[in-house]
Amino acid sequence: AQSVTQLGSHVSVSEGALVLLRCNYSSSVPPYLFWYVQYPNQGLQLLLKYTTGATLVKGINGFEAEFKKSETSFHLTKPSAHMSDAAEYFCAVSEPGGADGLTFGKGTHLIIQP
Amino acid sequence: DTGVSQNPRHKITKRGQNVTFRCDPISEHNRLYWYRQTLGQGPEFLTYFQNEAQLEKSRLLSDRFSAERPKGSFSTLEIQRTEQGDSAMYLCASSLEDIEQFFGPGTRLTVL
Repeated sequence: AQSVTQLGSHVSVSEGALVLLRCNYSSSVPPYLFWYVQYPNQGLQLLLKYTTGATLVKGINGFEAEFKKSETSFHLTKPSAHMSDAAEYFCAVSEPGGADGLTFGKGTHLIIQP
Repeated sequence: DTGVSQNPRHKITKRGQNVTFRCDPISEHNRLYWYRQTLGQGPEFLTYFQNEAQLEKSRLLSDRFSAERPKGSFSTLEIQRTEQGDSAMYLCASSLEDIEQFFGPGTRLTVL
């Protein structure tokens, strides 16, 4: 069985500061890893994904994440936060093939302080 | 708009009533997923179709829940004899093969 742990239900950073959202996973096989963003009353939008190959993946809106197998982590970063980044962020994992759908973490609410 | 659409966006019902939600996936996508999201939680997988075949169901999907995808196009999710615990956002996603799932805006269900 797979599981995802997101440390910190709320993270607050100042505009222009580094954003770091943490995600650790548990999986019996090398997983696919995803970060999604959800704005209020909207569906989820994919920020980035890791399947195979390069462990540092770049996504939309300046976000990137690094797959570290030894640490079973897939932390999301952005060098400089913008006010528009305020949203709920979800880390998710799936087995290759996706037959069981995605397993999501509980989410991290990102707050941007002016 | 060629994204995933869901109808209705909001549904308020009384306990014990039946409700049905519809999801229209991106047209060329062969996979369709249903998830449930409760307040403060991440989405939880409910079920998954490849074309018209329902291939996987979560244990969360009690016998009051049924999903169909006739002809491999749109899908419906029906909840019979709704309970207050069914109140949630129901999300639909579609994909072409197994990598990126595109999500719809969701249907918010409130059971009174």
